[in-house]
Amino acid sequence: EIVLTQSPGTLSLSPGERATLSCRASQSVSSNYLAWYQQRPGQAPRLLIYGASSRATGIPDRFSGSGSGTDFTLTISRLEPEDFAVYYCQQYGSSAFFGGGTKVEIK
Amino acid sequence: EVQLVESGGGLVQSGRSLRLSCAASGFTFDDYDMHWVRQAPGKGLEWVSGISKRSDNKPYADSVKGRFTISRDNAENSLYLQMNSLRAEDTALYFCARASKIALRLFDYWGQGTLVTVSS
Repeated sequence: EIVLTQSPGTLSLSPGERATLSCRASQSVSSNYLAWYQQRPGQAPRLLIYGASSRATGIPDRFSGSGSGTDFTLTISRLEPEDFAVYYCQQYGSSAFFGGGTKVEIK
Repeated sequence: EVQLVESGGGLVQSGRSLRLSCAASGFTFDDYDMHWVRQAPGKGLEWVSGISKRSDNKPYADSVKGRFTISRDNAENSLYLQMNSLRAEDTALYFCARASKIALRLFDYWGQGTLVTVSS
């Protein structure tokens, strides 16, 4: 079982700032089968990034993913008010394990 | 427009059973694998179970194996989760999710969830 550790637990930023979220895997993620989801309060998760760096349909280009092996990053270049949410990484290779999440809150 | 609408949640005593349903629309249901993912109050996401297009593959998380059964009715565009021997730790919001065409355990559409509360 691959364990995904997300950091920080909470990120306090202002609109317009850059957000950098980390996801570290306990072992190498095969074929970069790493995804990122956004969950706004009271809503279902929404797929943002798959394959570590490919944006899902309709996702704005301020969202970008990078990384390989065991270290992955989600970057939001300029935070919009609707981006304040919880973000989860997920490994979707042999199974489907999620990280514990990073909350991006308004400073 | 893809829509997934869960139902069947509620308050149930420990040890009892509950059956969740997910009504799908806006896509060719029998062309996609489907999954259940849950979220305990204030916690993160946990994959529960999945089912292939023809119901010939049904993996489960260790935490529910032997107690939960996933099924689908392609004629009715519906997904189900039969939950038996419920425990307090099964309390969660249960989401129905569609597997993408890119990978079988990548979830591209989610429902809003149905809440299951298990009282001890």
